[in-house]
Amino acid sequence: AIRMTQSPSSFSASTGDRVTITCRASQGISSYLAWYQQKPGKAPKLLIYAASTLQSGVPSRFSGSGSGTDFTLTISCLQSEDFATYYCQQYYSYPPLTFGGGTKVEIK
Amino acid sequence: EVQLVESGGGLVQPGRSLRLSCAASGFTFDDYAMHWVRQAPGKGLEWVSGISWNSGSIGYADSVKGRFTISRDNAKNSLYLQMNSLRAEDTALYYCARVIAAAGYGYYFDYWGQGTLVTVSS
Repeated sequence: AIRMTQSPSSFSASTGDRVTITCRASQGISSYLAWYQQKPGKAPKLLIYAASTLQSGVPSRFSGSGSGTDFTLTISCLQSEDFATYYCQQYYSYPPLTFGGGTKVEIK
Repeated sequence: EVQLVESGGGLVQPGRSLRLSCAASGFTFDDYAMHWVRQAPGKGLEWVSGISWNSGSIGYADSVKGRFTISRDNAKNSLYLQMNSLRAEDTALYYCARVIAAAGYGYYFDYWGQGTLVTVSS
């Protein structure tokens, strides 16, 4: 199974900050990567697929990049509603589908 | 509006069985593969199982293979997960999710239900 590793596991940031979350795959996955946002007590929400394609309705301050084994999710100007946990997921190899361990973005 | 509503969770003793259901609405159910994803309390997301639109292709995580069975009834717009021989480590919130297929590869999840909680404990 392809292992997905996110870093950092958590960090604190302030509203207005530019933040970047990293996801690394244990083997090349081309651009078959999705990003999700999960708020406490809520289901995950799809933000980005194909590594860099924004899901409909997702604010443009979110962006994704990368291919192969290294990927990033960037929030250009952090808003209060963006404090959440973010997960990456590979869909290059199935089964299984695999997620990163998550990155929690907390308020500084 | 796409809606996925899970049911069937609860407290169950180790070794017993439970059947989860997911009622889908707001889209043409038999146009999509459907999957289950779980999340243990305070932990990350774990893919459990997936089924193609016509039940012709099914996949399971190694952690549940041989114990869980996924199925669907397109006439009822419903997805199911039969869970047998439950273990404490199966305790989690179980999400039903609609997926988008990347032809020849895997799937990503575009809509999720709110989940149903399964607690395995004596």
